[in-house]
Amino acid sequence: EVQLVQSGGEVKKPGESLIISCEGSGYSFTSYWIGWVRQMPGKGLEWMGIIYPGDSDTRYSPSFQGQVTISADKSISTAYLQWSSLKASDTAMYYCARQRPRGYQPDYWGQGTLVTVSS
Amino acid sequence: QSALTQPASVSGSPGQSITISCTGNRSDIGDYNYVSWYQHHPGKAPEVLIYEVSHRPSGISNRFSGSKSGNTASLTISGLQAEDEADYYCSSYTNTYAPLVFGGGTKLSVL
Repeated sequence: EVQLVQSGGEVKKPGESLIISCEGSGYSFTSYWIGWVRQMPGKGLEWMGIIYPGDSDTRYSPSFQGQVTISADKSISTAYLQWSSLKASDTAMYYCARQRPRGYQPDYWGQGTLVTVSS
Repeated sequence: QSALTQPASVSGSPGQSITISCTGNRSDIGDYNYVSWYQHHPGKAPEVLIYEVSHRPSGISNRFSGSKSGNTASLTISGLQAEDEADYYCSSYTNTYAPLVFGGGTKLSVL
């Protein structure tokens, strides 16, 4: 059974750094792209970027380029989303999702990680 | 980054059918059959209902169906049930600035 398990919710202050994780199981982690999706409070889904754990090829939405870093450790089947300096506007639910081999369409989703940034 | 265009809300009565549209352009929906639909209940992970325009994953009810015409994809839900009340999103491959774009989401109310 394919599963994506995300790390727990975080409460941080503006300016702090943060890494959240997404562990995949039940499939070949290195053979599928993993993407990250943001949902701000009361808003829709926004695609942030993707990584191919097999070779760490990474692509970002222009809206998120330079704002976050996506990485993966294939030895432990885990993808990461990282911020170096959080802002209040980063408060959101973040989902990881495995992408289908064709068309980059998400097929399996993690349960979400709620990030709250507040002074 | 422009999202695909969905109606903000739709509603229907139990047993009825509704259709949600998702409009893009030639660089996404128009030229590619990589359109997916998701059901999202608040606080839960989104669930894939349809992929590649009209394919249902195993376990998804045949009350959900997808289609595409030109630059617009559609999700039809037949035999509406109370538990169908949720947010629905479309997504498409795009050959522009990023490989994936989402619609803005549609809130379905079952009256």
